[in-house]
Amino acid sequence: AQSVTQLGSHVSVSEGALVLLRCNYSSSVPPYLFWYVQYPNQGLQLLLKYTSAATLVKGINGFEAEFKKSETSFHLTKPSAHMSDAAEYFCAVMAGTASKLTFGTGTRLQVTL
Amino acid sequence: DGGITQSPKYLFRKEGQNVTLSCEQNLNHDAMYWYRQDPGQGLRLIYYSQIVNDFQKGDIAEGYSVSREKKESFPLTVTSAQKNPTAFYLCASSIGQQGRSYGYTFGSGTRLTVV
Repeated sequence: AQSVTQLGSHVSVSEGALVLLRCNYSSSVPPYLFWYVQYPNQGLQLLLKYTSAATLVKGINGFEAEFKKSETSFHLTKPSAHMSDAAEYFCAVMAGTASKLTFGTGTRLQVTL
Repeated sequence: DGGITQSPKYLFRKEGQNVTLSCEQNLNHDAMYWYRQDPGQGLRLIYYSQIVNDFQKGDIAEGYSVSREKKESFPLTVTSAQKNPTAFYLCASSIGQQGRSYGYTFGSGTRLTVV
């Protein structure tokens, strides 16, 4: 079975500060990993994905994530937060023969002045 | 532009009523999915379909039903057997098994409220 754990349901950062959202996964086979962002009352938008190519993945809006097999982690980072980054972020895993995505419980990012 | 359309955006249901949420995609994707989102619980899979005329239960299928008569459409019916239907419902699609690394494309959601 596959699963993801997002540490911290709420994260608050100042504008211009580093953003770090944590995600750990569990999978018995090499996984595909994804980060999605959701703005209020909207669907999810793909930020970036890891598909077994480069371990450092760059996405939209200046976000990136690094796949670390030894730590079973796929943390999301952004060097400098903007007010527009305030949203909920979901980490997701897909592994094995199934094409089903399993989501974490989400992390709400707050950006303050 | 290709995408997924969910309608209506807001839906109100009376106790004991069945309601149907619409999901249509023009991406030519084989697979479609329905998720339920509740605060603090992330997204939970209700039903999914890998191919027309076939679908499987997800983790929380009780009280819901679906059909997949056309590749483009995957409507979700919330039946009166669903005891706590108030939630945000998201439909998604993907290329399918061959495109597992692409992830999903999501609709903009339907917010269902029991009144």
